[in-house]
Amino acid sequence: QQQVKQSPQSLIVQKGGISIINCAYENTAFDYFPWYQQFPGKGPALLIAIRPDVSEKKEGRFTISFNKSAKQFSLHIMDSQPGDSATYFCAASSPNSGYALNFGKGTSLLVTP
Amino acid sequence: DTAVSQTPKYLVTQMGNDKSIKCEQNLGHDTMYWYKQDSKKFLKIMFSYNNKELIINETVPNRFSPKSPDKAHLNLHINSLELGDSAVYFCASSQERGYEQYFGPGTRLTVT
Repeated sequence: QQQVKQSPQSLIVQKGGISIINCAYENTAFDYFPWYQQFPGKGPALLIAIRPDVSEKKEGRFTISFNKSAKQFSLHIMDSQPGDSATYFCAASSPNSGYALNFGKGTSLLVTP
Repeated sequence: DTAVSQTPKYLVTQMGNDKSIKCEQNLGHDTMYWYKQDSKKFLKIMFSYNNKELIINETVPNRFSPKSPDKAHLNLHINSLELGDSAVYFCASSQERGYEQYFGPGTRLTVT
C-alpha cells in the first residue's frame, strides 16, 4: 500500500514563481523525510531532508515545511527557474524498516520561461 | 569520481533469460539498496544489504536475488526474466544507520 501520498501529480509554474508540492503519511514510525529531484535518464538526487523535531528547513531556494500533528510535509521552491523542471519525489523512512525509503508517486514540475 | 555506479546502463534481453546488474559505491558506506522504478516512475524498495547481510527483503519474486561480494558492491541477479520485469533499477547506498541515500544512474531493463 502507498505509505506516502504526494500531490499534485503535475505542476506548471512561471519563472520566478513559487512551486509547492505536498506529501502526507500515516506511519508514525517515520522519522526521516527527504525530497529527491530526478531529471530524465538520471538517478534521483537528494535535494533536502528534514526530521520531525523541526518544523522547517531551508537550503537556498528550497524549503521543507513539516507538520507532525497533521502528518504532512511540503516542499517549497522559491524563485522557480526553468532548470528546476524535473520530477520531485517525497519519501519517508524509519529504523523499523531498515531505513528503506517509501516514496510518493512523484510530481512533474515544469517551470515556464 | 562517480559515487554510485551501475553497469550496464541499458539491458535488453528476452523472456526466460537470466541477467545481472552490477553496482559499486566508493563512498565507504555500509548499506546498499536496490530500488525499482516502474513505467509510471514509481520507486519501490526491493532489497538492502548492511555489512553483507540482507536486512530488507520486500515482497519481490524469488527470481530476484541480491549478491554482495563486499560492502562496496551489491549486484542484482534476475532469473527467468518476465515482461513485467521491464523497469529502471536503481542502486543506492547510505552510511550504516544513516538516512541519506545516494542513488546510482540506473539500469533500464527491457524484456522482450
